[in-house]
Amino acid sequence: QQQVKQSPQSLIVQKGGISIINCAYENTAFDYFPWYQQFPGKGPALLIAIRPDVSEKKEGRFTISFNKSAKQFSLHIMDSQPGDSATYFCAASKGYGANNLFFGTGTRLTVIP
Amino acid sequence: DAGITQSPRHKVTETGTPVTLRCHQTENHRYMYWYRQDPGHGLRLIHYSYGVKDTDKGEVSDGYSVSRSKTEDFLLTLESATSSQTSVYFCAITPAGKDEQYFGPGTRLTVT
Repeated sequence: QQQVKQSPQSLIVQKGGISIINCAYENTAFDYFPWYQQFPGKGPALLIAIRPDVSEKKEGRFTISFNKSAKQFSLHIMDSQPGDSATYFCAASKGYGANNLFFGTGTRLTVIP
Repeated sequence: DAGITQSPRHKVTETGTPVTLRCHQTENHRYMYWYRQDPGHGLRLIHYSYGVKDTDKGEVSDGYSVSRSKTEDFLLTLESATSSQTSVYFCAITPAGKDEQYFGPGTRLTVT
C-alpha cells in the first residue's frame, strides 16, 4: 500500500511555465516532507523539504506548499527550464533525524523549449 | 553523490546465485540505508543501519540481509537472487544531527 500518493505520473510544460506536482498522505504522524529530483542514471538529489509548522517554503524557483488539514503537499517550479526535465519524487517520514522515508511513485517532468 | 560510492555499478546474475552489493562512505556517517527503485513504486526501504552492527528491517526486507562491520561499509546481500529482485539499488546516508537523506549513484542489478 502506497503511503504517499503522487500525481501526475508525467507532466509536459512549456519553457517559462509553472510545473505543479501534488502529493497526498494518510499517516498523520508524518512530519517531514522532502522532494527529490532525479536525472537518468543518477541517484535522487534532495531539492527542498518542509515540516508542517509552516505552510510554504521557497528556495529559488522551487516552492513547497503544505496543507496539513488536507494532508497534501505540492511542489511548484516557477519559470520552468529545459534543464528541470527530470523525475521528481515526494516523500514523507515521521520524527526527527534519520528515519524511514516513504516515497511517492514519481513524476516525469518534460519542459519543452 | 554525498561522498557515497556503490559497487558494482552494474551486475547481471543468474537466478539462485548469491549477490553482495557494497556501499562505502568516507565521512563517518552513522546512519546508512538501502533502497530499491522500481517503476510504479518509487523507492522503498530494504534495510537501514544506525551504527556498526546495528541494523533493522525496512518495508521490503524479505530476501535481503545486511551487514555493517565498519562505519564506512554497509553491505546488502541477496542470498539467492530471484528475478523479482531485478532493480536499481540505492544506498543513502544521513549526516549527524540532520533530517536529510543523501543518495549514492545506484547499482543496476539484473537477475536472469
